[in-house]
Amino acid sequence: DAGVIQSPRHEVTEMGQEVTLRCKPISGHNSLFWYRQTMMRGLELLIYFNNNVPIDDSGMPEDRFSAKMPNASFSTLKIQPSEPRDSAVYFCASSPQGATYSNQPQHFGDGTRLSIL
Amino acid sequence: AQSVTQPDIHITVSEGASLELRCNYSYGATPYLFWYVQSPGQGLQLLLKYFSGDTLVQGIKGFEAEFKRSQSSFNLRKPSVHWSDAAEYFCAVGAKQAGTALIFGKGTTLSVSS
Repeated sequence: DAGVIQSPRHEVTEMGQEVTLRCKPISGHNSLFWYRQTMMRGLELLIYFNNNVPIDDSGMPEDRFSAKMPNASFSTLKIQPSEPRDSAVYFCASSPQGATYSNQPQHFGDGTRLSIL
Repeated sequence: AQSVTQPDIHITVSEGASLELRCNYSYGATPYLFWYVQSPGQGLQLLLKYFSGDTLVQGIKGFEAEFKRSQSSFNLRKPSVHWSDAAEYFCAVGAKQAGTALIFGKGTTLSVSS
């Protein structure tokens, strides 16, 4: 079975540029999560979706960040404009049950390592 | 406040020695507890989870964890560590209700010496 697929694996860009991270959840999973991992702050939840609907975006750091899930098999996390402090590893995860999602294991992608120069 | 504390940032154990990674949580509802492992350059893989019932849970790769409600702890153990266990380990807590998210600790990095 294919796991959670994230692209790109690595992204290096200059500050001010728009960055788009992509995620394909496991087929049949109806909850999707975006996390950011840094040395200083650890693993932070940015936003999550149930059945393509954003449920909680309180972790999104500021308006420069936006996330969409146009269908059950695809989600994007966009940063515009990007800043050096956005450099981190961004993970996408999915789980199979929306209503009680936290008692179903979240399956993680391999992450996107983002560097903003 | 809801939180997960992993007191040890970095632990080194000898190959073949036993391992215990500590995890303490603060959570207002009945906690559902998880341990994940992250190898370099990869995402998090679920090791084990506790929802209810037997407080000693078995996971993959020979790991186990014990839930102690009185101590608000969910420590991870392994009787004999292998060099391939070197990785970062994350404890997480969540609730059953919809609309809540997993809260992760900051992780413990395990090094294995020969």
